[in-house]
Amino acid sequence: KAGVTQTPRYLIKTRGQQVTLSCSPISGHRSVSWYQQTPGQGLQFLFEYFSETQRNKGNFPGRFSGRQFSNSRSEMNVSTLELGDSALYLCASSLVGTGDGYTFGSGTRLTVV
Amino acid sequence: GESVGLHLPTLSVQEGDNSIINCAYSNSASDYFIWYKQESGKGPQFIIDIRSNMDKRQGQRVTVLLNKTVKHLSLQIAATQPGDSAVYFCAEILGNNNDMRFGAGTRLTVKP
Repeated sequence: KAGVTQTPRYLIKTRGQQVTLSCSPISGHRSVSWYQQTPGQGLQFLFEYFSETQRNKGNFPGRFSGRQFSNSRSEMNVSTLELGDSALYLCASSLVGTGDGYTFGSGTRLTVV
Repeated sequence: GESVGLHLPTLSVQEGDNSIINCAYSNSASDYFIWYKQESGKGPQFIIDIRSNMDKRQGQRVTVLLNKTVKHLSLQIAATQPGDSAVYFCAEILGNNNDMRFGAGTRLTVKP
Protein backbone atom coordinates (compact mmCIF):
# COMPACT_ATOMS: atom_id res chain seq x y z
CA LYS A 1 0.00 0.00 0.00
CA ALA A 2 1.30 3.47 -0.83
CA GLY A 3 2.82 5.51 1.96
CA VAL A 4 2.47 9.18 2.71
CA THR A 5 3.41 11.22 -0.34
CA GLN A 6 4.71 14.75 -0.10
CA THR A 7 5.31 17.02 -3.04
CA PRO A 8 7.50 18.63 -4.07
CA ARG A 9 10.58 17.06 -2.48
CA TYR A 10 12.67 20.20 -2.84
CA LEU A 11 11.76 23.83 -3.24
CA ILE A 12 13.70 27.07 -3.40
CA LYS A 13 11.85 30.32 -2.84
CA THR A 14 12.75 33.96 -2.36
CA ARG A 15 11.99 35.98 0.75
CA GLY A 16 8.55 37.50 0.60
CA GLN A 17 7.11 34.84 -1.68
CA GLN A 18 4.55 32.29 -0.65
CA VAL A 19 4.64 28.53 -0.99
CA THR A 20 2.17 25.66 -0.96
CA LEU A 21 3.18 22.15 0.01
CA SER A 22 1.09 19.05 -0.55
CA CYS A 23 0.57 15.85 1.41
CA SER A 24 -1.36 12.78 0.33
CA PRO A 25 -2.01 10.50 3.30
CA ILE A 26 -2.20 6.75 3.33
CA SER A 27 -5.49 5.58 1.84
CA GLY A 28 -8.13 5.51 4.56
CA HIS A 29 -6.24 7.81 6.90
CA ARG A 30 -8.28 10.83 7.85
CA SER A 31 -5.86 12.69 10.11
CA VAL A 32 -2.97 14.67 8.69
CA SER A 33 -0.45 16.53 10.82
CA TRP A 34 2.28 18.89 9.71
CA TYR A 35 5.67 19.41 11.32
CA GLN A 36 8.59 21.72 10.73
CA GLN A 37 12.04 20.28 11.27
CA THR A 38 15.13 22.47 11.65
CA PRO A 39 18.54 21.74 13.15
CA GLY A 40 18.02 24.37 15.82
CA GLN A 41 14.43 23.70 16.88
CA GLY A 42 13.99 20.04 16.04
CA LEU A 43 10.55 18.75 15.11
CA GLN A 44 7.83 21.24 15.86
CA PHE A 45 4.12 20.67 15.48
CA LEU A 46 2.35 23.00 13.08
CA PHE A 47 -1.23 21.77 12.90
CA GLU A 48 -3.46 18.76 12.48
CA TYR A 49 -6.46 18.28 10.25
CA PHE A 50 -9.21 15.73 10.51
CA SER A 51 -12.21 15.53 8.22
CA GLU A 52 -11.36 18.88 6.63
CA THR A 53 -11.23 20.66 9.99
CA GLN A 54 -8.21 21.99 11.80
CA ARG A 55 -8.35 20.17 15.08
CA ASN A 56 -5.16 21.36 16.72
CA LYS A 57 -2.57 24.03 16.14
CA GLY A 58 0.99 24.62 17.32
CA ASN A 59 2.69 27.91 18.11
CA PHE A 60 3.41 29.26 14.67
CA PRO A 61 2.50 32.67 13.27
CA GLY A 62 -0.54 33.18 11.10
CA ARG A 63 1.66 33.09 7.97
CA PHE A 64 1.46 29.32 8.32
CA SER A 65 -1.88 27.90 7.31
CA GLY A 66 -3.28 24.69 5.99
CA ARG A 67 -6.33 22.93 4.75
CA GLN A 68 -7.63 19.47 4.10
CA PHE A 69 -9.77 18.29 1.24
CA SER A 70 -12.60 15.79 1.23
CA ASN A 71 -10.22 13.07 0.02
CA SER A 72 -8.03 13.76 3.09
CA ARG A 73 -5.22 15.25 1.05
CA SER A 74 -3.77 18.27 2.80
CA GLU A 75 -1.90 21.37 1.82
CA MET A 76 0.03 23.82 3.91
CA ASN A 77 0.78 27.36 2.87
CA VAL A 78 3.43 29.75 4.10
CA SER A 79 3.03 33.37 3.07
CA THR A 80 5.62 36.15 3.14
CA LEU A 81 8.48 33.73 3.44
CA GLU A 82 11.38 34.51 5.75
CA LEU A 83 14.87 33.06 5.75
CA GLY A 84 14.04 31.29 9.01
CA ASP A 85 11.29 29.32 7.29
CA SER A 86 13.95 27.21 5.60
CA ALA A 87 13.30 23.74 6.93
CA LEU A 88 12.16 20.22 6.21
CA TYR A 89 8.36 20.14 6.33
CA LEU A 90 6.96 16.77 7.23
CA CYS A 91 3.46 15.49 7.23
CA ALA A 92 2.18 12.45 9.08
CA SER A 93 -1.08 10.62 8.60
CA SER A 94 -3.06 8.34 10.84
CA LEU A 95 -6.46 6.68 10.80
CA VAL A 96 -8.21 8.97 13.22
CA GLY A 97 -5.32 10.68 14.95
CA THR A 98 -5.92 9.68 18.53
CA GLY A 99 -2.82 7.68 19.26
CA ASP A 100 -3.29 5.01 16.63
CA GLY A 101 0.08 5.36 15.06
CA TYR A 102 1.44 7.90 12.64
CA THR A 103 3.22 7.43 9.34
CA PHE A 104 5.46 10.16 8.03
CA GLY A 105 6.23 11.19 4.52
CA SER A 106 9.77 11.95 3.36
CA GLY A 107 9.18 15.67 3.64
CA THR A 108 9.58 18.75 1.51
CA ARG A 109 12.88 20.56 1.85
CA LEU A 110 12.18 24.28 1.60
CA THR A 111 15.03 26.71 1.16
CA VAL A 112 14.32 30.43 1.36
CA VAL A 113 16.97 32.68 -0.17
CA GLY B 1 26.50 2.78 25.65
CA GLU B 2 23.96 5.11 27.21
CA SER B 3 22.82 8.66 26.59
CA VAL B 4 21.38 10.82 29.29
CA GLY B 5 18.36 12.93 28.52
CA LEU B 6 18.30 15.39 25.68
CA HIS B 7 21.49 17.20 26.67
CA LEU B 8 23.75 14.59 25.09
CA PRO B 9 22.53 14.36 21.54
CA THR B 10 25.17 11.94 20.26
CA LEU B 11 25.67 8.28 21.14
CA SER B 12 28.41 6.16 19.65
CA VAL B 13 28.47 2.39 20.16
CA GLN B 14 30.36 -0.58 18.83
CA GLU B 15 28.58 -2.93 16.47
CA GLY B 16 27.05 -5.76 18.44
CA ASP B 17 26.76 -3.79 21.68
CA ASN B 18 23.44 -2.84 23.20
CA SER B 19 22.33 0.79 22.95
CA ILE B 20 20.19 2.74 25.37
CA ILE B 21 18.67 6.04 24.32
CA ASN B 22 16.90 8.08 26.94
CA CYS B 23 14.21 10.70 26.76
CA ALA B 24 12.54 12.91 29.35
CA TYR B 25 9.02 13.90 28.42
CA SER B 26 7.26 16.97 29.64
CA ASN B 27 3.61 16.31 30.32
CA SER B 28 2.42 13.91 32.98
CA ALA B 29 -0.94 13.75 31.15
CA SER B 30 0.64 12.22 28.05
CA ASP B 31 -0.78 8.77 27.56
CA TYR B 32 0.91 7.50 24.44
CA PHE B 33 4.56 7.49 23.45
CA ILE B 34 6.36 6.59 20.25
CA TRP B 35 9.97 6.13 19.28
CA TYR B 36 10.94 7.13 15.76
CA LYS B 37 14.08 6.55 13.74
CA GLN B 38 15.09 9.09 11.14
CA GLU B 39 17.71 8.36 8.55
CA SER B 40 19.30 11.04 6.44
CA GLY B 41 16.95 12.34 3.77
CA LYS B 42 13.94 10.48 5.09
CA GLY B 43 11.00 11.17 7.34
CA PRO B 44 10.78 9.66 10.83
CA GLN B 45 10.00 5.96 10.80
CA PHE B 46 7.93 4.32 13.53
CA ILE B 47 9.91 1.90 15.69
CA ILE B 48 7.80 1.07 18.71
CA ASP B 49 5.10 2.60 20.85
CA ILE B 50 3.85 2.26 24.39
CA ARG B 51 0.78 3.43 26.25
CA SER B 52 0.85 4.93 29.69
CA ASN B 53 -0.78 1.87 31.27
CA MET B 54 2.33 -0.16 30.45
CA ASP B 55 5.88 -0.07 31.79
CA LYS B 56 7.59 -2.08 29.10
CA ARG B 57 7.04 -3.20 25.58
CA GLN B 58 9.25 -5.35 23.42
CA GLY B 59 9.67 -5.52 19.70
CA GLN B 60 12.22 -7.11 17.47
CA ARG B 61 15.60 -6.16 18.99
CA VAL B 62 14.01 -3.10 20.61
CA THR B 63 12.48 -2.54 24.01
CA VAL B 64 10.81 0.59 25.30
CA LEU B 65 10.64 1.30 29.01
CA LEU B 66 8.34 3.89 30.52
CA ASN B 67 8.76 5.36 33.98
CA LYS B 68 5.81 7.63 34.62
CA THR B 69 7.02 8.60 38.08
CA VAL B 70 9.96 10.51 36.66
CA LYS B 71 8.50 11.06 33.18
CA HIS B 72 11.24 9.09 31.51
CA LEU B 73 11.26 6.94 28.42
CA SER B 74 14.07 4.78 27.10
CA LEU B 75 14.73 2.80 23.97
CA GLN B 76 16.98 -0.20 24.17
CA ILE B 77 18.41 -1.66 20.99
CA ALA B 78 19.97 -5.09 21.29
CA ALA B 79 22.99 -6.12 19.23
CA THR B 80 23.23 -2.75 17.51
CA GLN B 81 23.97 -2.92 13.80
CA PRO B 82 25.39 -0.35 11.36
CA GLY B 83 21.90 0.00 9.87
CA ASP B 84 20.71 1.31 13.22
CA SER B 85 22.76 4.47 12.74
CA ALA B 86 20.24 7.31 12.63
CA VAL B 87 18.65 10.01 14.76
CA TYR B 88 16.15 8.66 17.26
CA PHE B 89 13.25 10.75 18.53
CA CYS B 90 10.81 10.11 21.30
CA ALA B 91 7.35 11.58 20.94
CA GLU B 92 4.58 12.06 23.46
CA ILE B 93 0.94 12.38 22.57
CA LEU B 94 -1.16 14.58 24.80
CA GLY B 95 -4.53 13.03 25.42
CA ASN B 96 -6.92 12.72 22.50
CA ASN B 97 -6.02 15.87 20.65
CA ASN B 98 -3.35 14.26 18.50
CA ASP B 99 -0.83 16.81 19.69
CA MET B 100 2.39 14.86 19.22
CA ARG B 101 5.46 16.54 20.69
CA PHE B 102 8.95 15.40 19.90
CA GLY B 103 12.12 15.35 21.93
CA ALA B 104 15.28 16.89 20.52
CA GLY B 105 16.58 13.58 19.25
CA THR B 106 19.73 11.52 19.76
CA ARG B 107 22.11 10.67 16.97
CA LEU B 108 23.22 7.06 17.20
CA THR B 109 26.43 6.12 15.41
CA VAL B 110 27.40 2.47 15.20
CA LYS B 111 31.09 1.77 14.74
CA PRO B 112 32.02 -1.40 12.86
